[in-house]
Amino acid sequence: GAVVSQHPSWVICKSGTSVKIECRSLDFQATTMFWYRQFPKQSLMLMATSNEGSKATYEQGVEKDKFLINHASLTLSTLTVTSAHPEDSSFYICSASLADTQYFGPGTRLTVL
Amino acid sequence: EDKVVQSPLSLVVHEGDTVTLNCSYEVTNFRSLLWYKQEKKAPTFLFMLTSSGIEKKSGRLSSILDKKELFSILNITATQTGDSAVYLCAVEVSGTYKYIFGTGTRLKVLA
Repeated sequence: GAVVSQHPSWVICKSGTSVKIECRSLDFQATTMFWYRQFPKQSLMLMATSNEGSKATYEQGVEKDKFLINHASLTLSTLTVTSAHPEDSSFYICSASLADTQYFGPGTRLTVL
Repeated sequence: EDKVVQSPLSLVVHEGDTVTLNCSYEVTNFRSLLWYKQEKKAPTFLFMLTSSGIEKKSGRLSSILDKKELFSILNITATQTGDSAVYLCAVEVSGTYKYIFGTGTRLKVLA
């Protein structure tokens, strides 16, 4: 079946630093990937749609300069949290669509101290 | 504004009970409705529903969609402690691959 991986699975960083999270579709090509954020005990919130070879589409209220998305190839999208602050601490999940099914990565837990 | 609402928010039952989880939606361009189970990490896919009235079944889980009344239910019979999880409902917006998630129902099954 289709597999989506994320790296790292867990990261702790200091306030003010930037963190890059990778999302890869391992055995299929994904022209579109999605980035979600999830706070504890809350649902997934779509942050942005990542399109291969073009700019990402951000949801209302999501700062595009803070959450940089790059979809450089058909199998890789990256989310960079720039100048991270403690309020950015969250669980970030990516997904990719294949044949009408959404496949999720395992998620990345970001903790900003 | 497109939205997906799940109820109840939280549910505690005993093993062997049957539960029904609800998902209602208001989405302009509906394509499909999906149910996911989320334990500790990312959600895992359960069902995708596109047509009204056709029940999808997988073991003790089943789900059905009503496109007229704009809701879906997820039934779990003979619940087990391993069913404890958050169950998420999501609606796919036609032509976009965009999914709108509900708030989730947190189910806890006691032994």
